Amino acid sequence: AQSVAQPEDQVNVAEGNPLTVKCTYSVSGNPYLFWYVQYPNRGLQFLLKYITGDNLVKGSYGFEAEFNKSQTSFHLKKPSALVSDSALYFCAVRDQAGTALIFGKGTTLSVSS
Amino acid sequence: GAVVSQHPSWVICKSGTSVKIECRSLDFQATTMFWYRQFPKQSLMLMATSNEGSKATYEQGVEKDKFLINHASLTLSTLTVTSAHPEDSSFYICSAPTGGYGYTFGSGTRLTVV
Repeated sequence: AQSVAQPEDQVNVAEGNPLTVKCTYSVSGNPYLFWYVQYPNRGLQFLLKYITGDNLVKGSYGFEAEFNKSQTSFHLKKPSALVSDSALYFCAVRDQAGTALIFGKGTTLSVSS
Repeated sequence: GAVVSQHPSWVICKSGTSVKIECRSLDFQATTMFWYRQFPKQSLMLMATSNEGSKATYEQGVEKDKFLINHASLTLSTLTVTSAHPEDSSFYICSAPTGGYGYTFGSGTRLTVV
């Protein structure tokens, strides 16, 4: 069965500092990995995805993530955090085309000014 | 890009009544729609998968008779919460797979049962 773990409920960083939101996964086949961001009472906004190819994936709003097969991780990173990045972040995975995404529990990112 | 329009954005209903949530694919054909439920500050839990023209597939523990899903056309999937009770209050989100291994999500529906 597929699963995603986000070990941190909350991540706090100061504006301008780098941020990392952690994600590890478990799938039986090749993983398709995604990061989404959610603002209060809103739907999900797509940030980036890894399907195949380069392990470093660049996405929207300056975010990037590195796929590490040996560690089964897909951590989300940004070199310089903004206060506006404060939101709920979800890592998601699937192992077959067309099947539903399985989400991690989410990590609240809080960026202080 | 592919857009899924979800309505209503929020709804308040009385206990015992039914509420219908609609998700429409605006510029593509959604043969499949996934329905999720989200409790405050928690993850999205997959409730069911609907496929156009066939019965929905429900996840374990989801009551089929309470959460009726219909996917009558390639552009419309609906979730009806029947005989709603306060414990059904939640945020419901639909999602459809799109090209390029991607997914598009509706904006969500906040259901409050009083």
